[in-house]
Amino acid sequence: AQRVTQPEKLLSVFKGAPVELKCNYSYSGSPELFWYVQYSRQRLQLLLRHISRESIKGFTADLNKGETSFHLKKPFAQEEDSAMYYCAFGNFNKFYFGSGTKLNVKP
Amino acid sequence: EAGVAQSPRYKIIEKRQSVAFWCNPISGHATLYWYQQILGQGPKLLIQFQNNGVVDDSQLPKDRFSAERLKGVDSTLKIQPAKLEDSAVYLCASSSGTSGGAREQFFGPGTRLTVL
Repeated sequence: AQRVTQPEKLLSVFKGAPVELKCNYSYSGSPELFWYVQYSRQRLQLLLRHISRESIKGFTADLNKGETSFHLKKPFAQEEDSAMYYCAFGNFNKFYFGSGTKLNVKP
Repeated sequence: EAGVAQSPRYKIIEKRQSVAFWCNPISGHATLYWYQQILGQGPKLLIQFQNNGVVDDSQLPKDRFSAERLKGVDSTLKIQPAKLEDSAVYLCASSSGTSGGAREQFFGPGTRLTVL
């Protein structure tokens, strides 16, 4: 069963425009949700997690249990935000990644 | 602190050959993960160790894949024999725990395997 769905493979926006990367999950309990990012030629790294309710590099993500979503948002995109973004879901000993969304921020 | 180390970085083999990958996690991290990432897909968890015990290997193709973490530190992942569909990047990650804030995973650079 698909646990994490990222419907967009590619998202292109202009610098300064708002960004929303979508993530939906399949789970009826209380999940642990994360966003991981991979910049060009760098390792996959944690961007943020829902339990921290933090803003990292201007990105935020709110867990919506009713819609089972954990969308990643940033009000003003920067060129350095161009990267591959993966939504991930943890449940006890299981861990699932979405298929990823490539964000391209154009100058 | 030093990050997760993996070797080799690249490997090209022919189908039906064997291959092994090595991972050295961050010092003190009890949990170690092996992922398979096929081109265009997200990482898929193959096996998870807690110290030297297997926590989950439900997605590991056990007829050809094996992994061990004998002393609770380094780990090896082996494929024997390899198939064309095993071509992928194999990622190793480690974390200090398995829940909450301790679940943040730190990834290695990966090993890119090409099976011809």
